Amino acid sequence: IQLTQSPSFLSASVGDRVTITCRATQGIRSYLAWYQQKPGKAPNLLIYGASTLQSGVPSRFSGSGSGTEFTLTISSLQPEDFATYYCQQLNYYLFPFGPGTKVDI
Amino acid sequence: EVQLVQSGAEVKKPGESLKISCKASGYSFSDYWIAWVRQKPGKGLEWMGIIYPDDSDIRYSPSFQGQVTISADKSINTAYLQWSSLKASDTAMYYCARRQYTFPYYYMDVWGKGTTVTVSS
Repeated sequence: IQLTQSPSFLSASVGDRVTITCRATQGIRSYLAWYQQKPGKAPNLLIYGASTLQSGVPSRFSGSGSGTEFTLTISSLQPEDFATYYCQQLNYYLFPFGPGTKVDI
Repeated sequence: EVQLVQSGAEVKKPGESLKISCKASGYSFSDYWIAWVRQKPGKGLEWMGIIYPDDSDIRYSPSFQGQVTISADKSINTAYLQWSSLKASDTAMYYCARRQYTFPYYYMDVWGKGTTVTVSS
Protein backbone atom coordinates (compact mmCIF):
# COMPACT_ATOMS: atom_id res chain seq x y z
CA ILE A 1 0.00 0.00 0.00
CA GLN A 2 1.39 3.40 -0.96
CA LEU A 3 0.22 6.85 -0.03
CA THR A 4 0.17 10.01 -2.12
CA GLN A 5 -0.50 13.52 -0.87
CA SER A 6 -1.72 16.59 -2.65
CA PRO A 7 -0.67 19.23 -3.00
CA SER A 8 3.05 18.75 -2.34
CA PHE A 9 3.32 22.40 -1.46
CA LEU A 10 0.81 25.08 -0.72
CA SER A 11 1.12 28.73 -0.01
CA ALA A 12 -1.45 30.19 2.36
CA SER A 13 -2.14 33.11 4.64
CA VAL A 14 -3.05 33.36 8.30
CA GLY A 15 -6.78 32.78 8.65
CA ASP A 16 -7.09 30.66 5.50
CA ARG A 17 -8.91 27.34 5.43
CA VAL A 18 -6.46 24.69 4.25
CA THR A 19 -7.19 21.18 3.02
CA ILE A 20 -4.63 18.48 2.36
CA THR A 21 -5.54 15.20 0.67
CA CYS A 22 -3.99 11.78 1.21
CA ARG A 23 -4.82 8.86 -1.07
CA ALA A 24 -4.03 5.18 -0.55
CA THR A 25 -3.49 2.73 -3.38
CA GLN A 26 -5.71 0.22 -1.58
CA GLY A 27 -8.48 0.64 0.93
CA ILE A 28 -7.23 1.05 4.46
CA ARG A 29 -10.55 1.68 6.17
CA SER A 30 -9.78 4.39 8.74
CA TYR A 31 -6.28 3.26 9.65
CA LEU A 32 -4.70 6.63 8.94
CA ALA A 33 -2.88 9.19 11.06
CA TRP A 34 -1.72 12.73 10.38
CA TYR A 35 1.43 14.35 11.74
CA GLN A 36 2.84 17.86 11.73
CA GLN A 37 6.58 18.41 11.50
CA LYS A 38 8.36 21.71 11.95
CA PRO A 39 11.96 22.24 10.79
CA GLY A 40 14.48 20.56 13.07
CA LYS A 41 11.78 18.91 15.17
CA ALA A 42 10.32 15.45 15.47
CA PRO A 43 6.87 14.81 13.98
CA ASN A 44 3.90 15.52 16.21
CA LEU A 45 0.71 13.46 16.10
CA LEU A 46 -2.40 15.43 15.15
CA ILE A 47 -5.06 12.88 14.23
CA TYR A 48 -5.46 9.11 14.33
CA GLY A 49 -8.17 6.79 13.11
CA ALA A 50 -8.61 9.25 10.23
CA SER A 51 -10.70 11.64 12.32
CA THR A 52 -9.87 11.41 16.04
CA LEU A 53 -8.09 14.49 17.33
CA GLN A 54 -5.11 13.68 19.55
CA SER A 55 -5.34 15.13 23.03
CA GLY A 56 -3.95 18.65 23.20
CA VAL A 57 -4.23 19.35 19.48
CA PRO A 58 -6.20 22.52 18.65
CA SER A 59 -9.72 21.99 17.37
CA ARG A 60 -8.99 23.92 14.17
CA PHE A 61 -7.43 20.66 12.94
CA SER A 62 -9.81 18.00 11.67
CA GLY A 63 -9.59 14.84 9.63
CA SER A 64 -12.03 12.92 7.52
CA GLY A 65 -12.28 10.09 5.04
CA SER A 66 -12.06 6.33 4.87
CA GLY A 67 -11.06 3.68 2.39
CA THR A 68 -8.68 5.33 -0.07
CA GLU A 69 -9.21 9.08 0.29
CA PHE A 70 -8.57 11.19 3.36
CA THR A 71 -8.36 14.88 4.15
CA LEU A 72 -6.73 17.01 6.80
CA THR A 73 -8.34 20.41 7.25
CA ILE A 74 -7.07 23.40 9.15
CA SER A 75 -10.09 25.65 9.58
CA SER A 76 -8.20 28.89 10.21
CA LEU A 77 -4.47 28.77 9.64
CA GLN A 78 -2.39 30.17 12.47
CA PRO A 79 1.26 31.32 12.32
CA GLU A 80 2.40 28.23 14.21
CA ASP A 81 0.76 25.94 11.64
CA PHE A 82 3.29 26.63 8.93
CA ALA A 83 4.96 23.23 8.73
CA THR A 84 5.05 20.00 6.76
CA TYR A 85 2.19 17.53 7.16
CA TYR A 86 2.43 13.78 6.66
CA CYS A 87 -0.21 11.08 6.53
CA GLN A 88 0.63 7.55 7.64
CA GLN A 89 -1.09 4.26 7.03
CA LEU A 90 -1.24 2.02 10.10
CA ASN A 91 -2.50 -1.38 9.15
CA TYR A 92 -0.67 -4.56 10.10
CA TYR A 93 3.05 -3.94 10.62
CA LEU A 94 4.10 -1.87 7.62
CA PHE A 95 3.32 1.74 8.32
CA PRO A 96 4.43 3.88 5.37
CA PHE A 97 4.15 7.64 5.31
CA GLY A 98 2.91 9.86 2.56
CA PRO A 99 5.47 12.14 0.87
CA GLY A 100 4.39 15.21 2.82
CA THR A 101 2.73 18.57 2.16
CA LYS A 102 4.62 21.71 3.02
CA VAL A 103 2.43 24.61 4.10
CA ASP A 104 4.23 27.88 3.64
CA ILE A 105 3.39 31.52 3.91
CA GLU B 1 6.40 11.98 31.82
CA VAL B 2 6.47 9.57 28.92
CA GLN B 3 9.54 10.15 26.82
CA LEU B 4 12.00 8.59 24.43
CA VAL B 5 15.55 9.85 24.76
CA GLN B 6 17.81 9.16 21.82
CA SER B 7 21.58 8.99 21.75
CA GLY B 8 23.68 11.83 20.44
CA ALA B 9 24.79 12.78 16.96
CA GLU B 10 27.28 10.51 15.22
CA VAL B 11 29.87 11.17 12.54
CA LYS B 12 31.25 8.04 10.91
CA LYS B 13 33.24 6.94 7.90
CA PRO B 14 31.90 4.64 5.19
CA GLY B 15 32.30 1.01 6.17
CA GLU B 16 32.19 1.67 9.91
CA SER B 17 29.62 0.13 12.21
CA LEU B 18 27.20 2.03 14.40
CA LYS B 19 24.54 1.39 17.01
CA ILE B 20 22.21 4.19 18.13
CA SER B 21 19.81 3.99 21.02
CA CYS B 22 16.39 5.08 22.20
CA LYS B 23 15.74 4.93 25.96
CA ALA B 24 12.16 4.92 27.17
CA SER B 25 10.88 6.25 30.46
CA GLY B 26 7.56 6.99 32.10
CA TYR B 27 5.73 3.89 30.87
CA SER B 28 6.03 0.11 30.68
CA PHE B 29 8.59 -0.29 27.91
CA SER B 30 7.82 -3.95 27.27
CA ASP B 31 4.17 -3.30 26.49
CA TYR B 32 4.54 -1.02 23.45
CA TRP B 33 6.06 -1.51 20.02
CA ILE B 34 8.90 0.90 19.15
CA ALA B 35 9.45 2.00 15.56
CA TRP B 36 12.38 3.55 13.75
CA VAL B 37 11.89 6.23 11.10
CA ARG B 38 14.50 7.70 8.76
CA GLN B 39 14.50 11.23 7.38
CA LYS B 40 17.18 12.17 4.89
CA PRO B 41 18.15 15.84 4.69
CA GLY B 42 15.32 17.84 3.16
CA LYS B 43 13.24 14.73 2.52
CA GLY B 44 10.20 12.96 3.94
CA LEU B 45 9.69 10.32 6.61
CA GLU B 46 10.53 6.69 5.84
CA TRP B 47 9.26 3.77 7.90
CA MET B 48 12.13 1.42 8.71
CA GLY B 49 10.74 -1.18 11.07
CA ILE B 50 9.26 -1.92 14.45
CA ILE B 51 10.07 -4.06 17.49
CA TYR B 52 8.07 -5.40 20.40
CA PRO B 53 10.49 -5.22 23.33
CA ASP B 54 8.80 -7.90 25.40
CA ASP B 55 9.72 -10.71 23.02
CA SER B 56 11.84 -8.87 20.41
CA ASP B 57 9.38 -9.61 17.62
CA ILE B 58 10.62 -7.42 14.74
CA ARG B 59 9.05 -6.36 11.45
CA TYR B 60 11.17 -4.61 8.85
CA SER B 61 10.10 -2.51 5.92
CA PRO B 62 11.20 -4.36 2.77
CA SER B 63 13.30 -1.31 1.90
CA PHE B 64 15.39 -1.73 5.04
CA GLN B 65 15.42 -5.50 5.51
CA GLY B 66 19.05 -6.63 5.56
CA GLN B 67 20.33 -3.06 5.69
CA VAL B 68 19.89 -2.41 9.40
CA THR B 69 19.27 -4.38 12.58
CA ILE B 70 16.66 -3.41 15.14
CA SER B 71 16.93 -4.74 18.67
CA ALA B 72 15.84 -3.99 22.22
CA ASP B 73 16.93 -4.68 25.79
CA LYS B 74 13.90 -4.58 28.02
CA SER B 75 16.05 -4.79 31.16
CA ILE B 76 17.24 -1.25 30.48
CA ASN B 77 14.19 0.03 28.56
CA THR B 78 16.21 0.70 25.43
CA ALA B 79 15.72 0.06 21.74
CA TYR B 80 18.54 0.08 19.21
CA LEU B 81 19.19 0.60 15.52
CA GLN B 82 22.46 -0.62 14.13
CA TRP B 83 24.48 -0.83 10.94
CA SER B 84 27.36 -3.20 10.27
CA SER B 85 28.81 -1.20 7.39
CA LEU B 86 27.66 2.37 6.89
CA LYS B 87 27.30 4.05 3.53
CA ALA B 88 27.19 7.73 2.67
CA SER B 89 23.52 7.21 1.76
CA ASP B 90 22.79 6.37 5.43
CA THR B 91 23.33 10.04 6.29
CA ALA B 92 20.04 11.07 7.86
CA MET B 93 18.10 11.87 10.98
CA TYR B 94 16.74 8.77 12.71
CA TYR B 95 13.72 8.91 14.97
CA CYS B 96 12.31 6.33 17.33
CA ALA B 97 8.61 6.45 18.13
CA ARG B 98 6.19 4.52 20.32
CA ARG B 99 3.25 2.79 18.73
CA GLN B 100 0.09 3.38 20.70
CA TYR B 101 -3.17 1.46 20.37
CA THR B 102 -6.62 2.83 21.04
CA PHE B 103 -9.16 0.32 19.79
CA PRO B 104 -9.14 -0.26 16.88
CA TYR B 105 -6.44 2.17 15.77
CA TYR B 106 -2.66 2.35 15.93
CA TYR B 107 -0.66 5.55 15.85
CA MET B 108 2.77 6.89 16.83
CA ASP B 109 2.11 9.03 19.87
CA VAL B 110 5.53 9.66 21.41
CA TRP B 111 8.65 10.49 19.43
CA GLY B 112 12.28 10.87 20.32
CA LYS B 113 14.06 14.06 19.29
CA GLY B 114 16.10 12.17 16.72
CA THR B 115 19.72 11.13 16.21
CA THR B 116 21.68 12.68 13.37
CA VAL B 117 23.97 10.24 11.60
CA THR B 118 26.54 11.65 9.18
CA VAL B 119 28.59 9.27 7.08
CA SER B 120 31.46 10.89 5.23
CA SER B 121 34.99 10.04 4.26
